[in-house]
Amino acid sequence: EVQLVESGGGLVQPGGSLRLSCAASGFTFSSYWMSWVRQAPGKGLEWVANIKADESDKYYVGSVKGRFTISRDNAKNSLYLQMDSLRAEDTAVYYCARETSNSFGYWGQGTLVTVSS
Amino acid sequence: SYELTQPPSLSVSPGQTASITCSGDKLGDKYASWYQQKPGQSPVLVVYQGTKRPSGIPERFSGSISGNTATLTISETQAMDEADYYCQAWDGKVFGGGTKLTVL
Repeated sequence: EVQLVESGGGLVQPGGSLRLSCAASGFTFSSYWMSWVRQAPGKGLEWVANIKADESDKYYVGSVKGRFTISRDNAKNSLYLQMDSLRAEDTAVYYCARETSNSFGYWGQGTLVTVSS
Repeated sequence: SYELTQPPSLSVSPGQTASITCSGDKLGDKYASWYQQKPGQSPVLVVYQGTKRPSGIPERFSGSISGNTATLTISETQAMDEADYYCQAWDGKVFGGGTKLTVL
């Protein structure tokens, strides 16, 4: 069974940093592109970043470029999102998602990031 | 930037057919997907590549695409289908604003 479990969310002040983790199991993690998708409270879904299976390619939505860094450790079956220079508008539930057949086939339960003073 | 447009809400009676539309420039070329999200839960993929249904998704969920419009059709709608539905274009990974489906 595919499982994605996010962790690392919490309350952080504007300008601060946070590192999210996603532990994957139930599939060959090193074979798949992975993404982070977020959802602000009461709002819709927004793709944030993704990373190729071998970490050779990474892409970001414009609003986080230069502030967020996606990475992975295939030996640990883990995906990460380093978030720096956080802003109030980054407040959201962050989901880890596995990419399959031009879609997000599996999602984690999400972790809440709140940016507030 | 690329945009996808969905109706904000749709109401349907139990047993009836619900059709949710999603429009975007050349959407037919961008591998449209649909996700169902119930309150407090993570999204679930219900249609991918425009018309394909993942294993475990009931047959009453189907997708179609024509030109600039993708449509998610839910036949014989049940109370359990009440949720927010999001379309997505894989090119750019853009999501639509979501449609709240009410079954009453």
